[in-house]
Amino acid sequence: GAVVSQHPSRVICKSGTSVKIECRSLDFQATTMFWYRQFPKQSLMLMATSNEGSKATYEQGVEKDKFLINHASLTLSTLTVTSAHPEDSSFYICSASQGEDTQYFGPGTRLTVL
Amino acid sequence: GENVEQHPSTLSVQEGDSAVIKCTYSDSASNYFPWYKQELGKRPQLIIDIRSNVGEKKDQRIAVTLNKTAKHFSLHITETQPEDSAVYFCAASRGAGTYKYIFGTGTRLKVLA
Repeated sequence: GAVVSQHPSRVICKSGTSVKIECRSLDFQATTMFWYRQFPKQSLMLMATSNEGSKATYEQGVEKDKFLINHASLTLSTLTVTSAHPEDSSFYICSASQGEDTQYFGPGTRLTVL
Repeated sequence: GENVEQHPSTLSVQEGDSAVIKCTYSDSASNYFPWYKQELGKRPQLIIDIRSNVGEKKDQRIAVTLNKTAKHFSLHITETQPEDSAVYFCAASRGAGTYKYIFGTGTRLKVLA
């Protein structure tokens, strides 16, 4: 149980384009989903928290117009990186919570912006 | 601000030996402390967790201890195996009821066969 999927697993795009990443909880309803960014050999940095049907809460320093988050249902959250640039290249990981402390992580999306 | 310190950053042990990773947190309201194992390019996987009303928890070769007074918690892996090699992250809940975590900086564990 508590499986989280993420799609795509890997994406390469040109500078200036937008990229959408999906995060799905497959066997449970996720009241809260989280989006993280992870640089090579570094820890996970929380970008934003989203609750179904409400606006995402962004961490300090994260541009909400740059990283658009939508939590349309209890099983789906999307992160759109708008007008991507090479410095946005990173490993993006989502996690989901069933309304308790434990977070279950997706497999991550490696974004490369050329 | 709130933070979680994790030590050591790298740890090499011989197969069969024990490994200990230590974390210190700053937010006295933190009440949930999970440990995640992450292999290269993969998702973090929960290996054990502990809540603030418990001092120790064990699951086969893995144990976690919590000292609320000192704001320390530690991961203990006994009888290490090569497949234990990975990066381990500790985390502390950010306050109570937010479900957000503050992650430690990670420990790269290498188990030598």
